[in-house]
Amino acid sequence: AQSVTQLGSHVSVSEGALVLLRCNYSSSVPPYLFWYVQYPNQGLQLLLKYTTGATLVKGINGFEAEFKKSETSFHLTKPSAHMSDAAEYFCAVIFPLRAGTALIFGKGTTLSVSS
Amino acid sequence: DSGVTQTPKHLITATGQRVTLRCSPRSGDLSVYWYQQSLDQGLQFLIQYYNGEERAKGNILERFSAQQFPDLHSELNLSSLELGDSALYFCASSVSDHGRETQYFGPGTRLLVL
Repeated sequence: AQSVTQLGSHVSVSEGALVLLRCNYSSSVPPYLFWYVQYPNQGLQLLLKYTTGATLVKGINGFEAEFKKSETSFHLTKPSAHMSDAAEYFCAVIFPLRAGTALIFGKGTTLSVSS
Repeated sequence: DSGVTQTPKHLITATGQRVTLRCSPRSGDLSVYWYQQSLDQGLQFLIQYYNGEERAKGNILERFSAQQFPDLHSELNLSSLELGDSALYFCASSVSDHGRETQYFGPGTRLLVL
């Protein structure tokens, strides 16, 4: 069965510091992995996704994530945090059902950025 | 703006009532998904429709039902509402029902049951 664990429900960084949000997954099939961001009172916006191919995936707003099969991880990073990065971040894995698919989400990590 | 629209944005109702949430997918997308986001359960998949047909079911209560119409918009019907149904309900759409396709999310409908 598919599942996602996000380590740390809350991460605080200073502006300009490295952002690292951790995600580990469990999947019985080759995983398709996603990171979404949710700003206050808004819907979810796709940051990046991994399906096949290159294991280092670049997304929007300077974020990137690396798929590591041996560690079953898909951590999200950004070299230099900006105040506008403060939001909630969700890691998700596709769960293939008998017919159709569903996204299985982690519980989310709230990122705070201080000046 | 993802291109997915949801109405209404907010909904306040009483226990025992019935409400309908509406979703219009992005132009060209055939799949519609419904998710519930609550503080205790997080983001949970409810149901998927593809080109008018139910494709997959998740943790959807029997009091909830959905449908997708020929113009591909979808409605989520919630009946006999309970306090615990208060949550943010998201609709998402994708081109097909293949897992590698990105799901684009709407802004959500915030439901408050009093």
